[in-house]
Amino acid sequence: GENVEQHPSTLSVQEGDSAVIKCTYSDSASNYFPWYKQELGKGPQLIIDIRSNVGEKKDQRIAVTLNKTAKHFSLHITETQPEDSAVYFCAASMNTGFQKLVFGTGTRLLVSP
Amino acid sequence: GAGVSQSPSNKVTEKGKDVELRCDPISGHTALYWYRQSLGQGLEFLIYFQGNSAPDKSGLPSDRFSAERTGGSVSTLTIQRTQQEDSAVYLCASSLALILKETQYFGPGTRLLVL
Repeated sequence: GENVEQHPSTLSVQEGDSAVIKCTYSDSASNYFPWYKQELGKGPQLIIDIRSNVGEKKDQRIAVTLNKTAKHFSLHITETQPEDSAVYFCAASMNTGFQKLVFGTGTRLLVSP
Repeated sequence: GAGVSQSPSNKVTEKGKDVELRCDPISGHTALYWYRQSLGQGLEFLIYFQGNSAPDKSGLPSDRFSAERTGGSVSTLTIQRTQQEDSAVYLCASSLALILKETQYFGPGTRLLVL
């Protein structure tokens, strides 16, 4: 089955710096890669996603890149703000008839003012 | 509009007791998913529903775990004879359909502690 690895487990940056979180997946059949943000005491919230027919997608300060050959994808946050502090999860899924997401173990991002 | 709601928000129980966790999906969402999040870990898929049927139960950790959905809406996850290793946050998500492009919207979770 699919396995998703995520690094780093924790990331501390200064406000205004960029943050990069990386994930690798094992199953080349995976074709959907969402990123979720989870704040303390809340459920995960989708922030951006990418499909395997696209190499890069951007939404304001957030971007995701996908390298299908190497089977890795990354989340890039620019001009970080304290409210970006949260746990971020990557996930991978293939079209098996339903959207079974396999999640990474999460990255705790801390943005210091 | 109203999001996915779950109850209770917290549950403390004694080892060996049964517990029921409830999920109210977003109105009109036909697909519903249950995940488990252990401390410091990612989310582990448990089961999904399309309408009232659950075609894939392979993620349920043991036969002590079961889930049902009635009326294509509310779902309950039942854990029988709870064990300490069942302690985790149980998250429910719903989406408009099962297909790949539909976003899964998560509830706030139920934090279960088995003493």
